[in-house]
Amino acid sequence: AQTVTQSQPEMSVQEAETVTLSCTYDTSENNYYLFWYKQPPSRQMILVIRQEAYKQQNATENRFSVNFQKAAKSFSLKISDSQLGDTAMYFCAFTKTSNTGKLIFGQGTTLQVKP
Amino acid sequence: NAGVTQTPKFRVLKTGQSMTLLCAQDMNHEYMYWYRQDPGMGLRLIHYSVGEGTTAKGEVPDGYNVSRLKKQNFLLGLESAAPSQTSVYFCASSYPRGGLDTEAFFGQGTRLTVV
Repeated sequence: AQTVTQSQPEMSVQEAETVTLSCTYDTSENNYYLFWYKQPPSRQMILVIRQEAYKQQNATENRFSVNFQKAAKSFSLKISDSQLGDTAMYFCAFTKTSNTGKLIFGQGTTLQVKP
Repeated sequence: NAGVTQTPKFRVLKTGQSMTLLCAQDMNHEYMYWYRQDPGMGLRLIHYSVGEGTTAKGEVPDGYNVSRLKKQNFLLGLESAAPSQTSVYFCASSYPRGGLDTEAFFGQGTRLTVV
């Protein structure tokens, strides 16, 4: 069975600084997707970034980038130039390529960006 | 497009009462899902459907039933609510296929309290 672990329940960062959220996972699959979702106080789940396991290049989306280490089964999220609007809970999630909505989530990391 | 819409957004039930949560999507997605979110545990899959007329159990199906009579709707039922079912419920949909559009789209969530 697959598992996803986020070992940082809470983190904080000063506005404009960089922060890294950690995620590890366990799977015997070779092909899969990894995601980071953002959940602001509005409760809406917002996809931040996606990584396909067969791609060696790390995904980037503007200020968000990942460090994907397939052998180590690690998938961290780096937020550069943090903004107040980045304050939210962040979830790491895993899915097999055959069913991309059947997600396994980590416990979540609450990020607070301080002015 | 409305995307994924959940009804209701909030509900308070007494122990033993029944209710149905409605999820509707207008993206013609084949797959639909129900998750529950509890503090410190991330989102966990309750039931899912890979097409009209089909349903399958997820990680935490006990105490819930689902139906997918129409492709665009996925209903989650609680026949006899228990305090342990107090949670935030999310519906999601996806159209699994290779490519950059592979992701799940989430509704805005339903906060259910069972007293």
